[in-house]
Parts: sequence; C-alpha cells; structure tokens
Amino acid sequence: GEDVEQSLFLSVREGDSSVINCTYTDSSSTYLYWYKQEPGAGLQLLTYIFSNMDMKQDQRLTVLLNKKDKHLSLRIADTQTGDSAIYFCAEFMNRDDKIIFGKGTRLHILP
Amino acid sequence: KAGVTQTPRYLIKTRGQQVTLSCSPISGHRSVSWYQQTPGQGLQFLFEYFSETQRNKGNFPGRFSGRQFSNSRSEMNVSTLELGDSALYLCASSRDTRGDEKLFFGSGTQLSVL
Repeated sequence: GEDVEQSLFLSVREGDSSVINCTYTDSSSTYLYWYKQEPGAGLQLLTYIFSNMDMKQDQRLTVLLNKKDKHLSLRIADTQTGDSAIYFCAEFMNRDDKIIFGKGTRLHILP
Repeated sequence: KAGVTQTPRYLIKTRGQQVTLSCSPISGHRSVSWYQQTPGQGLQFLFEYFSETQRNKGNFPGRFSGRQFSNSRSEMNVSTLELGDSALYLCASSRDTRGDEKLFFGSGTQLSVL
C-alpha cells in the first residue's frame, strides 16, 4: 500500500534537539521530503534528500536516510518556540509520479 | 512573486449541497495538485492537473472532480456533500511533477459540512 508512517506527537524542551522519524513504502522513491505546517497555513518545504544520499545538513536541520530500512529522520538542533508546527514526511512515488504524505508529527516545545 | 492563492478561505455548507473551490497557482507553474487534510487521515492526494489535463488521481469517489483552465488556474468540485467531507482542502503548484520540483502550497480552504 501507499503509507508513509510517522508518530503523531513529539514534545521537546526548548534548546534540545528534536528528532522526527518516518518510514516510507516505495523502495524506488527517488526523493524524500520534510514539509512544515504552521497553524492556519499551508505546507512549506523544509528540505529534501535524494535517494543516493545518506545525510543532508542545512543549518539546524539534519536529514538522515536509511534506504535499507526505508527510514527517514529529521533532526532539528537547538529547538526554538518558532519550530512548533506539524512536520510532514513525504515521498515521491516514481511509479505514479505523485507525492504521498504521512499524517504529520505535531512538535510541541516545552519551556 | 505572488504565492498560491486559494479561495474562499472558509466555507460552510449543508449535506447534499455542492461546492466549488478555486486555486490560482504561482505564475509560470503548470502543475496543480489538490489534497484533502483531516486530523485522522492526514494529507490525502485527490488529483493533479497539468496543462488542463488530469494526470493523476487519488482514491476518492466520483463526487470529487476538478479541472484546470488555460491560465493554469484550477477548480475542484464536490457534489452531494457528506459530513465526512469536512476538511481543509489544500492546493499546491509546481512547474512540473518531478521529484526535484518543489510543491508550493496555498493556505487552504476550510470546508465545514453541517
């Protein structure tokens, strides 16, 4: 089936690192993404990784890809209150030419 | 450059009615995708249009339909509304549908069916 799985909630203290995990289904997916949705807004692309990469770093964001286990993670260093949002993992389904999203992980920042 | 614009922002309808939602993509973008977002199901793919043709379709009943105009603006229509159609409907545009193309999302239309 077409399922991108991720946990629904994560609470992290301000200043700590947040790690959001995701498993995807299509082993032939070439692109995997992390999108962020703030309240009342649409989704915004945070970062994406090509399938021939294991890791991608962009300032406070680190994406790790384990193709063997079809596991993707997003690490946010020094988590700030502005990082409070829903984070969606997504994969590009090559066979269908469409992007499938997980249900989203709501990140809550504790003071 | 203006972003993706969705209208209206909010809609309240009753069961059995029909509704039309509108999406204006970013200038130059020819692909428009529609998603339904609900708390329980997350983001579900409805369909994608490119150059006025539906290129891709999700697993939704025929009550959900769409179209795209020559200026790339898109509309989606839901007929015979059901309570379960209450959701945030998101439109996203891109230049094309390739893995390395970013999807740019609008803020959505919040539909409530009473």
